[in-house]
Amino acid sequence: GAVVSQHPSRVICKSGTSVKIECRSLDFQATTMFWYRQFPKQSLMLMATSNEGSKATYEQGVEKDKFLINHASLTLSTLTVTSAHPEDSSFYICSARDSGSGIRDEQYFGPGTRLTVT
Amino acid sequence: AQSVTQPDIHITVSEGASLELRCNYSYGATPYLFWYVQSPGQGLQLLLKYFSGDTLVQGIKGFEAEFKRSQSSFNLRKPSVHWSDAAEYFCAVGAVGTYKYIFGTGTRLKVLA
Repeated sequence: GAVVSQHPSRVICKSGTSVKIECRSLDFQATTMFWYRQFPKQSLMLMATSNEGSKATYEQGVEKDKFLINHASLTLSTLTVTSAHPEDSSFYICSARDSGSGIRDEQYFGPGTRLTVT
Repeated sequence: AQSVTQPDIHITVSEGASLELRCNYSYGATPYLFWYVQSPGQGLQLLLKYFSGDTLVQGIKGFEAEFKRSQSSFNLRKPSVHWSDAAEYFCAVGAVGTYKYIFGTGTRLKVLA
C-alpha cells in the first residue's frame, strides 16, 4: 500500500516552454502533498506544500508564479514549471501524506521526475 | 532553527563490514525521525522510522537505528554491508504538526568488493 506515482519520469523541454508534472496517490487519499527539488548530488529541498482545495504554501525563496501547484483532488497534485529555463533543470520529487494516518506524520514519496531544459 | 546534520558526506566500507551512518538533529521537541535510501536517479525508499517508544528501531534490509535524545542523534547501523547497499542515505526530521520534512545533506555509501 501507500504508493505514489509521478508522471512523466523524464521530460525534456525547450527554454521558454511550460511543463506539467503529475503526482498521484494510488491507494490512499492525500489532502496534503509536498513538492521537493533535488540538484545533482544534493539533498532534497522542500519547495511547497500542496493542500487539496486550497492554495499551495511556498517555501521562502521559491517563486510561486514560476512553479504553479494545483491540488484539485484528493489523489492528484500537479506542478507546472512555467517559462522553463536551463537553471530549472532538476529532479523533482513529490510526496503525499495519507489523510487517514492520524497524527503520524509519514510521507510517501514518488519516484521523481527528471526535468531537462534545453 | 530546525536542522539535520549528516557529518559524513562519503563513506567507503568493505563488503561484509559493519556500517554506521551518523545523523544529528536540532529540534525543539522530540521529532519524528526517518532514514531513507536513494539509488542513482531513483526516488526515496523508507528504511525505518521513529515516532515514539522503543528507541532502537528495526528497518528493512537489515538496517537499524537508535534514537538518543541526550545526543540528539539517530544513527543508522547495519552489521554486515552488502554491495547492493551502495547508495545515498538521507536522514530526515518530521516537524510535528506541520507535516514538513527537513532532510540532511545525505551520505553517499560506497561498498568495496
